[in-house]
Amino acid sequence: DQQVKQNSPSLSVQEGRISILNCDYTNSMFDYFLWYKKYPAEGPTFLISISSIKDKNEDGRFTVFLNKSAKHLSLHIVPSQPGDSAVYFCAAPLPSGTYKYIFGTGTRLKVLA
Amino acid sequence: DTGVSQDPRHKITKRGQNVTFRCDPISEHNRLYWYRQTLGQGPEFLTYFQNEAQLEKSRLLSDRFSAERPKGSFSTLEIQRTEQGDSAMYLCASSYAGLVSDTQYFGPGTRLTVL
Repeated sequence: DQQVKQNSPSLSVQEGRISILNCDYTNSMFDYFLWYKKYPAEGPTFLISISSIKDKNEDGRFTVFLNKSAKHLSLHIVPSQPGDSAVYFCAAPLPSGTYKYIFGTGTRLKVLA
Repeated sequence: DTGVSQDPRHKITKRGQNVTFRCDPISEHNRLYWYRQTLGQGPEFLTYFQNEAQLEKSRLLSDRFSAERPKGSFSTLEIQRTEQGDSAMYLCASSYAGLVSDTQYFGPGTRLTVL
């Protein structure tokens, strides 16, 4: 059972425009979420996180929104830059004292110059 | 740079051979994790250590896999009698156990190809 889902395998956006990457989850006990960026042949790089007590967290060009009632989070990148082209994963730690992360399958973002 | 490091970055082996990977976490981090990533998938949890104690293992970790973290610092992941299905990127991550959810920082990974 895929507890964290990224239903869009790819997304193309023009440079300077907004990129919106989506993630849905099924486990209502999740209380913390993270976004990672991954370039080819590299490990995932932490981008931004959000606790379930918030509905928004912002860091520079990156903003994560959390809608708990819909079990949905999104990552907004504004403005998008060609260097943002990568695969983006959302992840959540399993609750109840375990520390393993459950990852989505990723969305490949391509920012067109 | 004191990020997570992994060695080797690439490993090609023949089916049936044993392989060992090493991970050096960020120095002050007390938790260390191993994940496996295959094409088109997100990383999947394999096992994790708090200091030198291995506290959880995924059912993905068959008896051919063994991980150690002998002194609570670096860790090794060994795969015995490799199979073609073991071909994947093996990722190591580390974190510091704090009062709030700790963030895992990943190394560059070891890409294993089993011929």
